Amino acid sequence: GQQLNQSPQSMFIQEGEDVSMNCTSSSIFNTWLWYKQDPGEGPVLLIALYKAGELTSNGRLTAQFGITRKDSFLNISASIPSDVGIYFCAGHPETSGSRLTFGEGTQLTVNP
Amino acid sequence: DSGVTQTPKHLITATGQRVTLRCSPRSGDLSVYWYQQSLDQGLQFLIQYYNGEERAKGNILERFSAQQFPDLHSELNLSSLELGDSALYFCASSVSLRGAVDTQYFGPGTRLTVL
Repeated sequence: GQQLNQSPQSMFIQEGEDVSMNCTSSSIFNTWLWYKQDPGEGPVLLIALYKAGELTSNGRLTAQFGITRKDSFLNISASIPSDVGIYFCAGHPETSGSRLTFGEGTQLTVNP
Repeated sequence: DSGVTQTPKHLITATGQRVTLRCSPRSGDLSVYWYQQSLDQGLQFLIQYYNGEERAKGNILERFSAQQFPDLHSELNLSSLELGDSALYFCASSVSLRGAVDTQYFGPGTRLTVL
């Protein structure tokens, strides 16, 4: 099946720093989605990308759909303590219809 | 609040038992998806229902089954439970307009503990 390689696995940063994480695949994706999950809660959608090259912002978050359709990145600017959590990339592979494939997640820790 | 509701929030049961997890999708969403999240694994897709019919199957065990009812709520049935079935089970929903790839919104999850 399609694999999503998400990196880094974990990040420890100081409050105020910018953060960048990305997902890559050997397969083509039709959409890229970024979710955040707090402990014991469901994933919450942050940004959805639908076209190659698309760059979308949501407050301090910015994500891009790679031109090759095989990658995406998420940037968080000026991090704050409540940014702590696990960030998942997810996407609809070209050949899998509506089934979402998830990355392994990036655990973000923000030190005040 | 995503608009997707799941009950119960927590479930503790014994090996060999059977449980039913319930999900109500967002208003207007026709598709319901079930996922399993274990400690040592990421989110694993189990099954999708669209407007009452099974649409896609993922890594769902034969001991597990699901259905979607006419009012579009869904139930995931887990039987002959094993210790390894302990996990968070999430439901997600989406509009799933014909021909469109759309976004899934997740519920808060049911934490299942099998003792």
